[in-house]
Amino acid sequence: QSVLTQPPSVSGAPGQRVTISCTGSSSNIGAGFDVHWYQQLPGTAPKLLIYANRNRPSGVPDRFSGSKSGTSASLVITGLQAEDEADYYCQSYDNSLSGSRVFGGGTKLTVL
Amino acid sequence: QITLKESGPTLVKPTQTLTLTCTFSGFSLSSHGVGVGWIRQPPGKALEWLALIYWDDDKRYSPSLKSRLTITTDASKNQVVLAMTNLDPVDTATYYCVRLYGSGNYEHWYFDLWGRGTLVTVSS
Repeated sequence: QSVLTQPPSVSGAPGQRVTISCTGSSSNIGAGFDVHWYQQLPGTAPKLLIYANRNRPSGVPDRFSGSKSGTSASLVITGLQAEDEADYYCQSYDNSLSGSRVFGGGTKLTVL
Repeated sequence: QITLKESGPTLVKPTQTLTLTCTFSGFSLSSHGVGVGWIRQPPGKALEWLALIYWDDDKRYSPSLKSRLTITTDASKNQVVLAMTNLDPVDTATYYCVRLYGSGNYEHWYFDLWGRGTLVTVSS
């Protein structure tokens, strides 16, 4: 049972927009801690996709965007492409668990 | 170019101790705003944070695994070692070495770079 809750799967057709939610609580996202997102392409290590809620590292297309509100965060992917098919994980900090870095359970994005 | 590379045994017997080494280059663990840690991923499952060591030698562990984990760095600070005791088949996973990076309060730092990971199987 992950501390952060994500939908197990989402899907969309090429060119469409999809949203992946990440729900936490008052001890992590709701406490004001930043949310980060990672993309894991099949058979590879995760890669930083969004940091500090809404910032993209160099090289990440602006089709990917993040936001945070209250105890939740969202990752939005617009103009869906076949190469976006991957697992996506949100991550934050939790102050009720001795300063733990916590992850969501991951969301499998399928491009139809 | 910044790289992180994991090394260690691929097969460990139950009850044994696992020792994994992360060798990194392109940055210094002595630099403010940097940490190195470990994250694992059982086959087909989610990511799980294990341990971190910060630039100032502060160490943090996952509460659920704290009694079994020890994270250390060598004198030259280009290697970080994770020891996990009393291995069980449920510890079978790919273990990733990661760099933690950020500014301001460390709670907001993020894992900006990942090694390729090393698969460790626990079986008799």
